[in-house]
Amino acid sequence: DTEVTQTPKHLVMGMTNKKSLKCEQHMGHRAMYWYKQKAKKPPELMFVYSYEKLSINESVPSRFSPECPNSSLLNLHLHALQPEDSALYLCASSHGRSGSAGANVLTFGAGSRLTVL
Amino acid sequence: KNEVEQSPQNLTAQEGEFITINCSYSVGISALHWLQQHPGGGIVSLFMLSSGKKKHGRLIATINIQEKHSSLHITASHPRDSAVYICAVGGATNKLIFGTGTLLAVQP
Repeated sequence: DTEVTQTPKHLVMGMTNKKSLKCEQHMGHRAMYWYKQKAKKPPELMFVYSYEKLSINESVPSRFSPECPNSSLLNLHLHALQPEDSALYLCASSHGRSGSAGANVLTFGAGSRLTVL
Repeated sequence: KNEVEQSPQNLTAQEGEFITINCSYSVGISALHWLQQHPGGGIVSLFMLSSGKKKHGRLIATINIQEKHSSLHITASHPRDSAVYICAVGGATNKLIFGTGTLLAVQP
């Protein structure tokens, strides 16, 4: 299995809703990432988990809450989002061995397109 | 000035043409990545390189570490190559620095 699977593909939610995005990989990768991408812009890093521990939080608002239950799963819990949070949310993974994302190939999921009304 | 600059920002080519996309960076890196993103879609990693040249099918990527420059070439371009091509560099952390991307349209 060489894929990163993201669900759901599309999500529409109101500002008072609580929802979650899910990401799964079975490649034995030990680093997992959440990126946010607005239209016609490059991805922006949100969070990095390395060996199931949060290693990078790019000052993301607390209405986004990441969770890494095990080495294959990564969740992004969403609560009280704003319309400006509407974007494509991309999950990625890499080996995470000796070094960093710089020196390891990232495998991206197809993304979850989020619309906040 | 961005740490990773790509050129051109937009490129239109005719099917069969040879295409070059350039990437210049101003930071120290451990590797450079070329990524492809089709409209509305996820990102595919094309190459990761830290020196020299790599080839995969019709795609060739080169890097000159001294000049801090990389190029992505597409030979015999095809409409299915139409996508955004993104250059990203990585250093000592798990954070990639992305270029702004090159939107390629290959017309039949």
